[in-house]
Amino acid sequence: SQKIEQNSEALNIQEGKTATLTCNYTNYSPAYLQWYRQDPGRGPVFLLLIRENEKEKRKERLKVTFDTTLKQSLFHITASQPADSATYLCARINAGNMLTFGGGTRLMVKP
Amino acid sequence: NAGVTQTPKFQVLKTGQSMTLQCAQDMNHEYMSWYRQDPGMGLRLIHYSVGAGITDQGEVPNGYNVSRSTTEDFPLRLLSAAPSQTSVYFCASRGAGYGYTFGSGTRLTVV
Repeated sequence: SQKIEQNSEALNIQEGKTATLTCNYTNYSPAYLQWYRQDPGRGPVFLLLIRENEKEKRKERLKVTFDTTLKQSLFHITASQPADSATYLCARINAGNMLTFGGGTRLMVKP
Repeated sequence: NAGVTQTPKFQVLKTGQSMTLQCAQDMNHEYMSWYRQDPGMGLRLIHYSVGAGITDQGEVPNGYNVSRSTTEDFPLRLLSAAPSQTSVYFCASRGAGYGYTFGSGTRLTVV
């Protein structure tokens, strides 16, 4: 079956460091992947999209990479801040143009 | 712009009761969808619509009905509530771009 997976364990890092979150996919080749941020009690918020022919995409302190050989996308937050603490979700578009999400990774940035 | 508006924010139902979760968007988006989010299960697609008058089933459609009579509204109906439908429900919409806009969610408890 087609799967999209994220590390379910929380990631704890110190303020100012770079956070790196991983999204792995199996049994298919997505044309693109999306990353969302979700805060407790809120809906997900779209952050970035990366296409399969793009190695890297940046937006302010955020950077996403897409490695089709490893079947993996990495999501980086540089100079992390406590306000970056949230759950980060990766998602792919399925056949109906709707999203299939990974389970999300919770990021905790400590001051 | 209000974005995606979901009502109610909280609801408690008794087993066997029916209700409608409302979702409205004011962005003229063609794509709309309903997800449920459960601990350890992530976000799962219930039903979706690619335009007014067109709906289709997602990953977990049993026990739910939808209709799309207008571009703006996409209500989700629970026919006969069961404790297994206790969850947080999110409505999302997408226009010409790729990122989805989510509502703030409805937290439903079925007792």
